[in-house]
Amino acid sequence: DTGVSQDPRHKITKRGQNVTFRCDPISEHNRLYWYRQTLGQGPEFLTYFQNEAQLEKSRLLSDRFSAERPKGSFSTLEIQRTEQGDSAMYLCASSSTGDEQYFGPGTRLTVT
Amino acid sequence: AQSVTQLDSQVPVFEEAPVELRCNYSSSVSVYLFWYVQYPNQGLQLLLKYLSGSTLVKGINGFEAEFNKSQTSFHLRKPSVHISDTAEYFCAVSDLARGTYKYIFGTGTRLKVLA
Repeated sequence: DTGVSQDPRHKITKRGQNVTFRCDPISEHNRLYWYRQTLGQGPEFLTYFQNEAQLEKSRLLSDRFSAERPKGSFSTLEIQRTEQGDSAMYLCASSSTGDEQYFGPGTRLTVT
Repeated sequence: AQSVTQLDSQVPVFEEAPVELRCNYSSSVSVYLFWYVQYPNQGLQLLLKYLSGSTLVKGINGFEAEFNKSQTSFHLRKPSVHISDTAEYFCAVSDLARGTYKYIFGTGTRLKVLA
């Protein structure tokens, strides 16, 4: 069990560019979550997968955001046409039973 | 909708003194409750969780919390803090009724332990 990993750890991009983040959950965890954390705030829920099915999306997830979890293993979060307001820490978490989530180290996005 | 309130944004405390970080949530329907700690530029680490049973929950690093259903509170305590406890602490609620078990977080409390 190597824990949840996220790649990259840091991403600096120019406004208008597309970015993609990857999350590798703990193996055999069927539940996967994405959260966004802005400076001085707690993480906010973005989306939830059970296996490969995306079962819930927050209203925070505008149409510029898309998430996938092909084959129910790793997940990707893509942001198209990035805006400065997208600058945040993007956290991924996984769970097997739903009673505890294990978080990755996060991807810090800076949009210039 | 479920919400979580952490009234104290910052708590300074001297080393070896006791500390309490407060957390209140909005709904008394079935919930799971959690406290996580976050060190700078890192992810979240679970301190403790309440799922059911005894209302006093013990966690890692000497932390404990008490679930109070009538007051919808889940305050975190430590009898004697160390410099290494300096970090951001988040209270989270998982609403069981929704089935996704997604977390609703508070805004966090920055604990600063002073020498």
